[in-house]
Amino acid sequence: GIQVEQSPPDLILQEGANSTLRCNFSDSVNNLQWFHQNPWGQLINLFYIPSGTKQNGRLSATTVATERYSLLYISSSQTTDSGVYFCAVREYGNKLVFGAGTILRVKS
Amino acid sequence: DSGVTQTPKHLITATGQRVTLRCSPRSGDLSVYWYQQSLDQGLQFLIQYYNGEERAKGNILERFSAQQFPDLHSELNLSSLELGDSALYFCASSVAGGQTGEQYFGPGTRLTVT
Repeated sequence: GIQVEQSPPDLILQEGANSTLRCNFSDSVNNLQWFHQNPWGQLINLFYIPSGTKQNGRLSATTVATERYSLLYISSSQTTDSGVYFCAVREYGNKLVFGAGTILRVKS
Repeated sequence: DSGVTQTPKHLITATGQRVTLRCSPRSGDLSVYWYQQSLDQGLQFLIQYYNGEERAKGNILERFSAQQFPDLHSELNLSSLELGDSALYFCASSVAGGQTGEQYFGPGTRLTVT
């Protein structure tokens, strides 16, 4: 099946810093989502981005489907951005295959 | 709030027992998916239903079963529980059953087996 790799596995930022999270996938996909899992365990949809670039406030994402990667940009980070960021791609059969996640800690 | 609801939020039970987790999809969504998040396996797909019928199956144990009812809510039944079944169980929904379309996740049910 499809493999999803996320990097870095851990990231510690000072409040106000910018960061880039990467997601590589092993096969072509027509569905890619980014999620934020907050400290209470909730999975929050950030972007549905099979290709192209989207922005939502301080967050933006770019997927280059032909090169099999996606990037999540977080600008001017805040302590509330802390948590785990997951990339997930849709494999044949409709299931989402998740990466292992990037653990982000933002210090004040 | 994603619009997907799950009950209960927390469940503590003993080994060998059986539990039922419930999920209501977003209004208008026909597909329901179940995922399990454990420390050692990460987030894994269990099973999908579309408009009442099983559509896809993942790494779901034979001790686990699910169904989707005519009102589109879904239940995940876990039986003969083992310590290793302790995990966060998520339900997700989407409008369609195909390969495109965004999935929205519920708040999860945290299951602890003692």
